[in-house]
Amino acid sequence: KAGVTQTPRYLIKTRGQQVTLSCSPISGHRSVSWYQQTPGQGLQFLFEYFSETQRNKGNFPGRFSGRQFSNSRSEMNVSTLELGDSALYLCASSPGQGAGTGELFFGEGSRLTVL
Amino acid sequence: GDSVTQMEGPVTLSEEAFLTINCTYTATGYPSLFWYVQYPGEGLQLLLKATKADDKGSNKGFEATYRKETTSFHLEKGSVQVSDSAVYFCALSVTGGYQKVTFGTGTKLQVIP
Repeated sequence: KAGVTQTPRYLIKTRGQQVTLSCSPISGHRSVSWYQQTPGQGLQFLFEYFSETQRNKGNFPGRFSGRQFSNSRSEMNVSTLELGDSALYLCASSPGQGAGTGELFFGEGSRLTVL
Repeated sequence: GDSVTQMEGPVTLSEEAFLTINCTYTATGYPSLFWYVQYPGEGLQLLLKATKADDKGSNKGFEATYRKETTSFHLEKGSVQVSDSAVYFCALSVTGGYQKVTFGTGTKLQVIP
């Protein structure tokens, strides 16, 4: 069974640009969660989607958005990039009723560098 | 709100030493508890879990016991190997609640030969 796939793995952007990250969950998983990982803040929850609906959102500004498609693939978008957005963005999928079970299957992440 | 506090790292141990990584939590409901591990250059992997008080989760020689009275879930291993070098995250979730997993800040473990 294929794992969680995130693309792109690495990307470099400049301040003010926008970026879209993609996540393909494990087949059959309907829940996708996104996390931002930085050395200073650790893992910060961004949002969770289940069957195309956002069920929970973390404490991030509106520049961070996401969506989920009918095939459970998910994208997140960050607009008007700031230097502080440089981070590893991790996507995780969950079986059953979703992330509330605590069992997350993570991708390898997309490392974003903002210059 | 929910939160997880784990010991600061890095932790450096010699091979075959005993490992303890402390973790305590606060939760608004009755949480399930987890340890995740992140090897260099990879995403996180679930290491073990416990869903109710006094449960012991175990995997790959690692163990952790859900202690409700002390709100703790300390990770232990009797004899670490170089291959255990990684970052360890304690985490919790409240099933049926907020549909998210709350992570601690992570503890980096380095095992030297």
